[in-house]
Amino acid sequence: GESVGLHLPTLSVQEGDNSIINCAYSNSASDYFIWYKQESGKGPQFIIDIRSNMDKRQGQRVTVLLNKTVKHLSLQIAATQPGDSAVYFCAEKGGSGNTGKLIFGQGTTLQVKP
Amino acid sequence: DAGVIQSPRHEVTEMGQEVTLRCKPISGHNSLFWYRQTMMRGLELLIYFNNNVPIDDSGMPEDRFSAKMPNASFSTLKIQPSEPRDSAVYFCASSAYRDLAKNIQYFGAGTRLSVL
Repeated sequence: GESVGLHLPTLSVQEGDNSIINCAYSNSASDYFIWYKQESGKGPQFIIDIRSNMDKRQGQRVTVLLNKTVKHLSLQIAATQPGDSAVYFCAEKGGSGNTGKLIFGQGTTLQVKP
Repeated sequence: DAGVIQSPRHEVTEMGQEVTLRCKPISGHNSLFWYRQTMMRGLELLIYFNNNVPIDDSGMPEDRFSAKMPNASFSTLKIQPSEPRDSAVYFCASSAYRDLAKNIQYFGAGTRLSVL
């Protein structure tokens, strides 16, 4: 069946360092992935997405890398700031065909130390 | 745009009572999703609608849960009767189902439900 999982439940980094959050997925047919950020007391917020025909996509201070060979996704945050402290979820497009459904991983908590 | 609007933000009720959660999706979006989030189970999809029609309700835990979308701008999730194990944060999300290759969902702030 489909599942999306995260390697580490909590990541603690020093302010200014780079952060790398990892995600493994099981459905080799998945062709679209999204990273969400969820701050305390708020709903998940879209960060960046990537299609399976790409290996890398960059946004503002964030980069997503996709390795289809090992079914691995990562989110890199450059120069991590206190405002980056949150839970980060990876998600893949779920179901057969284009259903609009997403399957979310369990989430990784990012803690930024000042 | 005000984003996805959920009400109430917090709900405290007693076991056995009926609970109704409300959601207003982003204008122009034609897909709507209801999720439940707990520490133990993470973010679970309960049900979703495309063009006001329920597509997949396999995530609805049991018959006590029901959801409706009478029009494109409003949806409800009802629990009757409520139980303490229903305590969770319930999120509503919407997306524009125009680009079938992209499924970006936009989430509301959630309703924190406590059933005593």
